[in-house]
Amino acid sequence: GQQLNQSPQSMFIQEGEDVSMNCTSSSIFNTWLWYKQDPGEGPVLLIALYKAGELTSNGRLTAQFGITRKDSFLNISASIPSDVGIYFCAGQKLGTYKYIFGTGTRLKVLA
Amino acid sequence: DTGVSQDPRHKITKRGQNVTFRCDPISEHNRLYWYRQTLGQGPEFLTYFQNEAQLEKSRLLSDRFSAERPKGSFSTLEIQRTEQGDSAMYLCASSSDPLVYGYTFGSGTRLTVV
Repeated sequence: GQQLNQSPQSMFIQEGEDVSMNCTSSSIFNTWLWYKQDPGEGPVLLIALYKAGELTSNGRLTAQFGITRKDSFLNISASIPSDVGIYFCAGQKLGTYKYIFGTGTRLKVLA
Repeated sequence: DTGVSQDPRHKITKRGQNVTFRCDPISEHNRLYWYRQTLGQGPEFLTYFQNEAQLEKSRLLSDRFSAERPKGSFSTLEIQRTEQGDSAMYLCASSSDPLVYGYTFGSGTRLTVV
């Protein structure tokens, strides 16, 4: 099935550092979501984006809906050990009620 | 309501056996989704229901797979004649309006076919 491209695939960072990741597609999307998944659990919704150019924050997390509508970005500021996990973007195409997920960015935080 | 429940959490089965998974969505959610996730990949769409109607099925859902939501509440996903390639995490999600609220996922059922 189709999956969105996420970059980087994985990253190790020091506690306290800021993190940036992105998600790209060849298709235009109407809504972008960002999820976090811990091992053995289902993904948990972090942020939802509805308009091109929109910038939305949730605590230390900030996400942006790219102006081309083909990409989205997630930033985590001042990372802490519990930020460890896999982050997925998900996009919804106009006229559909399902989301296509990205390949994931695995984050590891070194204390 | 404690969220989306999936049962069982883990299933080990021999190749060729049939398996059935259950999903109980959040009670007021009329849309229910099934996704499959293999190791190192993101969730891949399988099918979704609005109430009891199955509105879309992925090409990933071969004829060995069938999903039902008979009364518009819980759903079952059955895999017949399992193959080793069916080993994956099967995730269920529900939503009242996915375009506004996204999905709420369950914890998944991990299937291992030996």
